[in-house]
Amino acid sequence: SSELTQDPAVSVALGQTVRITCQGDSLRTYYASWYQQKPGQAPLLVIYGKNNRPSGIPDRFSGSSSGNTASLTITGAHAGDEADYYCNSRDSTGNHLVFGGGTKLTVL
Amino acid sequence: EVQMLESGGGLGQPGGSLRLSCVASGFTVGNYAMSWVRQAPGKGLEWVSSIGAGGGSTYYADSVKGRFTISRDNSKNTLYLQMNSLSAEDTAVYYCAKDQTSFMTTPSEFDYWGQGTLVTVSS
Repeated sequence: SSELTQDPAVSVALGQTVRITCQGDSLRTYYASWYQQKPGQAPLLVIYGKNNRPSGIPDRFSGSSSGNTASLTITGAHAGDEADYYCNSRDSTGNHLVFGGGTKLTVL
Repeated sequence: EVQMLESGGGLGQPGGSLRLSCVASGFTVGNYAMSWVRQAPGKGLEWVSSIGAGGGSTYYADSVKGRFTISRDNSKNTLYLQMNSLSAEDTAVYYCAKDQTSFMTTPSEFDYWGQGTLVTVSS
């Protein structure tokens, strides 16, 4: 299967930890990347590879993977973390990319 | 500073054509895999097409294969997306995106995105 499945919505209390998951057969072979998108803005890469953060992304963001599930964890959520989060990986061919449906994170 | 600016969006007729451009600065487009990603209004991200670095292998989502063509002009440091046989399902904001790692022949993760250009297909 070339699909990636995410929960449509997740909420977290301010300062608490939240995990956003992404499931798909291709994740047994390929790492997921994670993007944050705020309204009216282009996506922003927050995690890639095994657990790598681009320059400028705070270490509150981390990634992990097990079997067919990739996870993005935000430790100590800030109000500014409220956004849509998308996972992305290669499909089974290895040449095409696929995005998950996105998870809307609400910080309470 | 890396910047990418898309243009060419607008109103397209069903069955018609549009050509999107993405002018890049701060890096050489030929040295990176480059991609187009779209987002329909109120919907999620959808990968559309990629072109590899160097020789330029091309890849397309099934939804656009045979209708869209990705290309680049290294002399103009510009990425293109020729869109033919447009349908209402192609209505979306189209982003160009740069791969993080240079000289990759297949797309991976995107470290820079343009601000997008809106394509609306309607009669």
